[in-house]
Amino acid sequence: QQPVQSPQAVILREGEDAVINCSSSKALYSVHWYRQKHGEAPVFLMILLKGGEQKGHEKISASFNEKKQQSSLYLTASQLSYSGTYFCGTQLLLNRDDKIIFGKGTRLHILP
Amino acid sequence: DGGITQSPKYLFRKEGQNVTLSCEQNLNHDAMYWYRQDPGQGLRLIYYSQIVNDFQKGDIAEGYSVSREKKESFPLTVTSAQKNPTAFYLCASSSQGAFNTGELFFGEGSRLTVL
Repeated sequence: QQPVQSPQAVILREGEDAVINCSSSKALYSVHWYRQKHGEAPVFLMILLKGGEQKGHEKISASFNEKKQQSSLYLTASQLSYSGTYFCGTQLLLNRDDKIIFGKGTRLHILP
Repeated sequence: DGGITQSPKYLFRKEGQNVTLSCEQNLNHDAMYWYRQDPGQGLRLIYYSQIVNDFQKGDIAEGYSVSREKKESFPLTVTSAQKNPTAFYLCASSSQGAFNTGELFFGEGSRLTVL
């Protein structure tokens, strides 16, 4: 059930763009995105729901392809503060409960 | 200020001892979660609770136990049956209860080391 994230790691220079992907083998109701800096708690970025609704920070953009059960997080004009590990969490459509399962994460490092 | 408080932040225990990690929230959230984080493994769900006096097993519940006697509290006990308990443990909560789509609020985590 664990969603698969790709790539596992990314190194960018400040100002460059990145895309992080999350895919599931099962039908999804929602996808969550979080960022975690080393030694800190994960911080909410965005939720994407089946049907197109999105909730999140204005500077973050993401997509949710319901047919393919895939979500992508778009980081444009990256800043040093974007460094960290990004996790996607998924809720299955079949379960219809509060269970949120996370992927293994994508490590993003921004160079000055 | 509203938030989630985990304690202790660091904990050392001898092998074979049970350990209880505390998680308290004052956000009035219905759902609470416990995740375990190991390097390269992401966040793995141990237990979650949607309402007081009810909880469900996650993907790695073996060797752990929880209780939800109060809405604000969701303590996790790492028992001696857990074969590899050394890890970083994160507690989280979310509003809206059953089948919620609210964001998760995480605590600062508890790092358990078993000697």
